[in-house]
Amino acid sequence: QVQLQQSGPGLVKPSQTLSLTCAISGDSVSSITAAWNWIRQSPSRGLEWLGRTYYRSKWYNEYALSLKSRITINADTSKNQFSLQLNSVTLEDSAVYFCAREGGYFGSGSFYWDNWFDPWGQGTLVIVSS
Amino acid sequence: SYELTQPPSVSVSPGRTARITCSGDKLGDKYASWYQQKPGQSPVLVIYQDTKRPSGISARFSGSNSGTTATLTISGTQALDEADYYCQAWDSSAFYVFGGGTKVTVL
Repeated sequence: QVQLQQSGPGLVKPSQTLSLTCAISGDSVSSITAAWNWIRQSPSRGLEWLGRTYYRSKWYNEYALSLKSRITINADTSKNQFSLQLNSVTLEDSAVYFCAREGGYFGSGSFYWDNWFDPWGQGTLVIVSS
Repeated sequence: SYELTQPPSVSVSPGRTARITCSGDKLGDKYASWYQQKPGQSPVLVIYQDTKRPSGISARFSGSNSGTTATLTISGTQALDEADYYCQAWDSSAFYVFGGGTKVTVL
């Protein structure tokens, strides 16, 4: 089955860049029936979808509007993983960050996303502090 | 932007039925998913496409969705069902939206 293993620092200074990686086993980051997502959870904001990357003849990225100017999600096919970069972090970016897979399927000549997440990575607590 | 509203907490006696609601504008026109999260763990999908259970999820979990409300029902609630539960849906204005979560306490 698909497993996601997260890595990255748990402490980031204000104004710097948060960087996390999610390694995939049991699937391919280049799969045409999957999207690779980042989601975060904090007491103040709850669960918040951040963005995703997926491959459909070329790479696509979609981001939450509130973060669009600060976020980048990239895939690394050589390592079968994807990453999150969040620039110019503030205290409000402190949260537990999760990676998660969304599947999809082809039907009636079209592609449809599942619109749910399974599985999730183990989570990484990131504290923004000087 | 689209919002999903859940009650903060639900209490249930062991063996009884717990119902957790999730409200949103025309939610019944969308698919709702539900996740269980225990302390210190990642969310686990328990219901997708309103009513479907992933492999390995107990048949005690069921779901429904109509009008403006999706409901997660836990039948014969056990102590191990004590957790936070989150609903989630897709909306064109905000992509993926989560409810604020409901803490289920088994008394």
